[in-house]
Formats: sequence, C-alpha cells, structure tokens
Amino acid sequence: DIVLTQSPGTLSLSPGGRATLSCRASQFVRSNSLAWYQQQRGQAPRLLIYGASSRATGIPDRFSGSGSGTDFTLTISRLEPEDFAVYYCQQYGSSLFTFGPGTKVDIK
Amino acid sequence: QVQLVQSGAEVKKPGASVRVSCRASGYTFTGYYMHWVRQAPGQGLDYMGWINPNSGVTNYAQKFQGRVTLTRDTSISTAYMELSRLRSDDTAMYYCARDSFVDTAIFLDYWGQGTLVTVSS
Repeated sequence: DIVLTQSPGTLSLSPGGRATLSCRASQFVRSNSLAWYQQQRGQAPRLLIYGASSRATGIPDRFSGSGSGTDFTLTISRLEPEDFAVYYCQQYGSSLFTFGPGTKVDIK
Repeated sequence: QVQLVQSGAEVKKPGASVRVSCRASGYTFTGYYMHWVRQAPGQGLDYMGWINPNSGVTNYAQKFQGRVTLTRDTSISTAYMELSRLRSDDTAMYYCARDSFVDTAIFLDYWGQGTLVTVSS
C-alpha cells in the first residue's frame, strides 16, 4: 500500500507569508490521483487541488499544486487569515483512497 | 446544489453497532460513488471505503474489513455506514463524501457535515 508522508507537521507563519507544504509517497503516484484538502477547525474537509495541480471550483489562485512521481507540493502564496488550517494530501490507488497525516499551518 | 446530509450524533456502548446515514440531493445519486472517512478527535483523516450506489458493489480499507458494511437505498438517495463491534477507539467524526472525475483525475468534491459517534461504557 502507498503511504503518504507530509512535512512539516506544523508550519508557523505570519499572514501574508508564503507556505510550502510537502507530500511524499512511498511509491509512484499518478498525478491524476493526487489531491489536496483543507480542513478548518470543526468543519469537514474541502477540496483545494485535484490532479496534483488543478484548482477546484472557487479556490483562489493563491493556492497552487505541483509535483509528480513521489513528491508533491502545495503552495499558498500569500496567507490570508482563513488559510490557517490543516492540509491533507490524498492519493487514489488500488481502488481506494489514502490520506497523508496532515500539515497544520498556524499563526506565528 | 449538491448536498450530503448526515444523521445525528450517536452514543454507543462497546461491542454495539452503529449505523450512520448520508442523504444525497442535488445530483443523480446512482451516478457517483460514495465514500466514508473518519476522524478521531485531534487526529487525521482515516479512509474507510466506498460503495457504488448503482450496483451496490463495495470496497473496504483493510483496516475496517469485517467490521464495516456500506449499503444504500436508491429510492431515498441515501447511503449508510454500519460499524460493528465498537471499541472506544472508534470514537470519531464520520464523514460521507462523493467522488467525482475530471478527465482521469479522481477526488472527493462534496462532503457531509459529519456524524459524531461516541463509544463509551
């Protein structure tokens, strides 16, 4: 089974800063199977990025995804107050999804 | 608009079973797989499995094999997740989520609000 590892575990940044979140897979992941979600406290996850780099409907362009193979990145170019949340990567393989452990982006 | 509305919170004793429902609206229920994900307090997302509402075919994550059963009732556009032999570490928020495709990319685009299941003696 493919295991996803996310780093760092916590990222402490100031509003307006740039966040770079990493998702590493234990095996090759097809780019069309890699997605990113945001979860704010007390809420369900929200889809941000699918296919490694495509923004979901309504997602601001300060969010971008990149990467291929086993290394993927979510970048938030200028942090807004509502962006302080937990972010999960997810892959689809062998007919099932798996999630990474998450990266918390909190206010410095 | 697409909505997934889940049933209310449950409190169960160890060894019991729980069934959570997820009522879909705003789209063709049989046209999209339904997935279930749980989240223990303060923890990450734990994927449980999916059901094809059209055929009833299911697929479960190995961790939950033998304890989880996903079903559906197409007449009321509702999916169900039943978890048996509950333990205290099954205390979690349980989410249903619909999948979707763009080209060959697959992802979970709509989520229910979550159902808190508490297992306590």
